[in-house]
Amino acid sequence: DAGVTQTPRHEVAEKGQTIILKCEPVSGHNDLFWYRQTKIQGLELLSYFRSKSLMEDGGAFKDRFKAEMLNSSFSTLKIQPTEPKDSAVYLCASSSGLGANYAEQFFGPGTRLTVL
Amino acid sequence: GDSVTQTEGLVTVTEGLPVKLNCTYQTTYLTIAFFWYVQYLNEAPQVLLKSSTDNKRTEHQGFHATLHKSSSSFHLQKSSAQLSDSALYYCALAATGGNNKLTFGQGTVLSVIP
Repeated sequence: DAGVTQTPRHEVAEKGQTIILKCEPVSGHNDLFWYRQTKIQGLELLSYFRSKSLMEDGGAFKDRFKAEMLNSSFSTLKIQPTEPKDSAVYLCASSSGLGANYAEQFFGPGTRLTVL
Repeated sequence: GDSVTQTEGLVTVTEGLPVKLNCTYQTTYLTIAFFWYVQYLNEAPQVLLKSSTDNKRTEHQGFHATLHKSSSSFHLQKSSAQLSDSALYYCALAATGGNNKLTFGQGTVLSVIP
């Protein structure tokens, strides 16, 4: 079975650019999550979808970050405009969504974003 | 809301010695599941252990953890640390309440030295 896939693996952007990160969850999973990972803050939840519906949109990230789930097998995270402080690893994860005992999230390899 | 606390940002241990990574939590829900994730350098986080049963020891890859609801803890332990155990470890909580999110701790870097 294919796991979570993310593209691109690395992205370099100039300040002010728009970038789009892509994620394909595990087939059949109902829940999809976007996280930002930094050494200082650890894992920060950006967005949470259940069956393509947006359940949570991280408050601090609302203004320049927009996640969408166009269908059950594809999601994008747009950052517009990018700022140097956005440099981080962006992780996508999915889970079955069947309840707390099935809440194990499967992570993709991440996209390392560098904003100059 | 739920919270998970990992008190150590960095744990350094000599190869062959025991290691313990601390994890405590706060939640208002009764039905919960716990996870330890491990993230090796330049890789994705992956589940190391998971448990939802109070006072039952769970083991995998030489690591073990026991969920203690009485003390709100799910510490990770290993009797003999290996160089290959060096990684970032996250403790995470899933609680029912109409929401299947995981609440992650801040993470603990385990460094095993020769």
